[in-house]
Amino acid sequence: SQTIHQWPATLVQPVGSPLSLECTVEGTSNPNLYWYRQAAGRGLQLLFYSVGIGQISSEVPQNLSASRPQDRQFILSSKKLLLSDSGFYLCAWGRDEKSEQFFGPGTRLTVL
Amino acid sequence: GQNIDQPTEMTATEGAIVQINCTYQTSGFNGLFWYQQHAGEAPTFLSYNVLDGLEEKGRFSSFLSRSKGYSYLLLKELQMKDSASYLCAVLDSNYQLIWGAGTKLIIKP
Repeated sequence: SQTIHQWPATLVQPVGSPLSLECTVEGTSNPNLYWYRQAAGRGLQLLFYSVGIGQISSEVPQNLSASRPQDRQFILSSKKLLLSDSGFYLCAWGRDEKSEQFFGPGTRLTVL
Repeated sequence: GQNIDQPTEMTATEGAIVQINCTYQTSGFNGLFWYQQHAGEAPTFLSYNVLDGLEEKGRFSSFLSRSKGYSYLLLKELQMKDSASYLCAVLDSNYQLIWGAGTKLIIKP
């Protein structure tokens, strides 16, 4: 069966500090991978998606970036965090663009 | 623009039935998904509709009318554990998933 891991579960970072969130998927190959952010009480905002190693599409211009160094690894990064980067970050995978997405447990990021 | 509308919050009684509506206006349509999200947790997949009609899965059913741009999620025999947010999402013509803001369902004993 497939599983998706995200870490850390919670993170408190000062403004201006760097960020690295990691997501890995097990039990499948060549998945579509997604990074979402969810503000409190709001819907999901797609940040990045990837259909293969090294292929990243960005949906929202921001100070975040994403990378996919391996087939089942997806990393979200920032060089300098802003207060507005606080939120619940979710990684998801899908078999293809038409399929349902399965989410990791999420990382709750607070930028102070 | 693309838009998905759901009620912000609904309240229902344990053991009852509740219907959560979702209307959408998107650039094309390639399917509609419902997800459940408990507070502080990640969304989990509930159902998928691409053709008109009703899909039943145990206590949960989902209905779609493509001509009306409308779907609903029907929850029967409500349990306290059904207290959660329910997210509607539509796959548009570019296979981009457009998300609604979610409906917070409160179950009272």
